[in-house]
Amino acid sequence: QVLLQQWGAGLLKPSETLSLTCAVNGGSLSGYYWGWIRQPPGGGLEWIGEINHSGGTNYNSSLKSRVTISPDKSHNQFSLNLTSVTAADTALYFCARAKQSTTWSRRWFDAWGQGTPVTVSS
Amino acid sequence: ETVLTQSPATLSLSPGERATLSCRASQSISNYLAWYQQRPGQAPKLLIYDASKRATGIPARFTGSGSGTDFTLTISSLEPEDFAVYYCQQRSSWPPAFGQGTKVEI
Repeated sequence: QVLLQQWGAGLLKPSETLSLTCAVNGGSLSGYYWGWIRQPPGGGLEWIGEINHSGGTNYNSSLKSRVTISPDKSHNQFSLNLTSVTAADTALYFCARAKQSTTWSRRWFDAWGQGTPVTVSS
Repeated sequence: ETVLTQSPATLSLSPGERATLSCRASQSISNYLAWYQQRPGQAPKLLIYDASKRATGIPARFTGSGSGTDFTLTISSLEPEDFAVYYCQQRSSWPPAFGQGTKVEI
């Protein structure tokens, strides 16, 4: 059974870069898509983006200019970088695995990390 | 962009009762819809995908139905652990957005 373990800095100042890492235990990056989702305090879920084991990415257009998701196959993990953060980026950030499918529309998130709270404050 | 609207925002029920949650899409999304459950302090958990297929290990009391623009998640008899927030998500069009959630409370 795959287990996702995530970590990263939890307190940032405005304009800094958010960096989070998600390790995949009990499984491989290969053959799956891997994503990041965030949840502001008391709010709903926002899809940030996805990556496959080859490095192919899809990003939410609302964040596209600031976000990078990259794989680290040697360590079986992937990461999220979000530049120029503001208070609006304060949220609980989740990494997740998408179900295997040849169809983009059926890649549902079937395994999730525990979440990393990130606060942006001066 | 497809917007998902969930109703009601809050559903107040008792254990053993039936829960009916709605998710409406602003345009047709075929059956490209999933339901997730999020308990307090936990990550979301996939319940239903492709509108009506139960994910691995999900009890039979959870049923998803619908296609096009109108979808329903039914919990036939609420167990104490079912009191949580439920989100729908579409992957028919870009971006793969979530609904705002329905809280099922006692």
